[in-house]
Amino acid sequence: AAGVIQSPRHLIKEKRETATLKCYPIPRHDTVYWYQQGPGQDPQFLISFYEKMQSDKGSIPDRFSAQQFSDYHSELNMSSLELGDSALYFCASSSGQVIYEQYFGPGTRLTVT
Amino acid sequence: RKEVEQDPGPFNVPEGATVAFNCTYSNSASQSFFWYRQDCRKEPKLLMSVYSSGNEDGRFTAQLNRASQYISLLIRDSKLSDSATYLCVVNINPTGRRALTFGSGTRLQVQP
Repeated sequence: AAGVIQSPRHLIKEKRETATLKCYPIPRHDTVYWYQQGPGQDPQFLISFYEKMQSDKGSIPDRFSAQQFSDYHSELNMSSLELGDSALYFCASSSGQVIYEQYFGPGTRLTVT
Repeated sequence: RKEVEQDPGPFNVPEGATVAFNCTYSNSASQSFFWYRQDCRKEPKLLMSVYSSGNEDGRFTAQLNRASQYISLLIRDSKLSDSATYLCVVNINPTGRRALTFGSGTRLQVQP
């Protein structure tokens, strides 16, 4: 079965640079979620989109923005990167048919140097 | 206090053992409940949803006690491949689209 696709899988950036992470949800899933998982920590919710509209917002810094496009893929844009932004960034998707279950992509490992 | 509390472990058990994980959640408005497993540096993978009536999937049994705000996961006949971190996860919003709140995970190591 098709899974959530994330790109790139690994990204190395310097402080103050920008980064864009992409997420392609499972086909026919209409909701996308972004999570950040720092070293040794549990995943923390950043933001979610349903039918291309922002549906919920968590602990997302103002330096970050995200959107969902007409084909349901989503992008997380990160600017003025800081060392503390180094983490695994997961995208998850869910379907209106089984709205309680979220399926995670393999993640993007961002390292800020 | 975290919204979802778990014993961090590690639980070290021999192959074939039965092991139980517990979890408590603080928000009584929580609507849906899950167990995910996460292998080192990998994504969380949905193990099972947890229903009020309890549910079983092969060697795995999950129970929910809403009155006590308590969730459990039982693994029977442990396999080496069960070694992972088990995350207790809750969803508060009744429409299901809200964020998942994760516990810090319980680490299981199954030994030969």
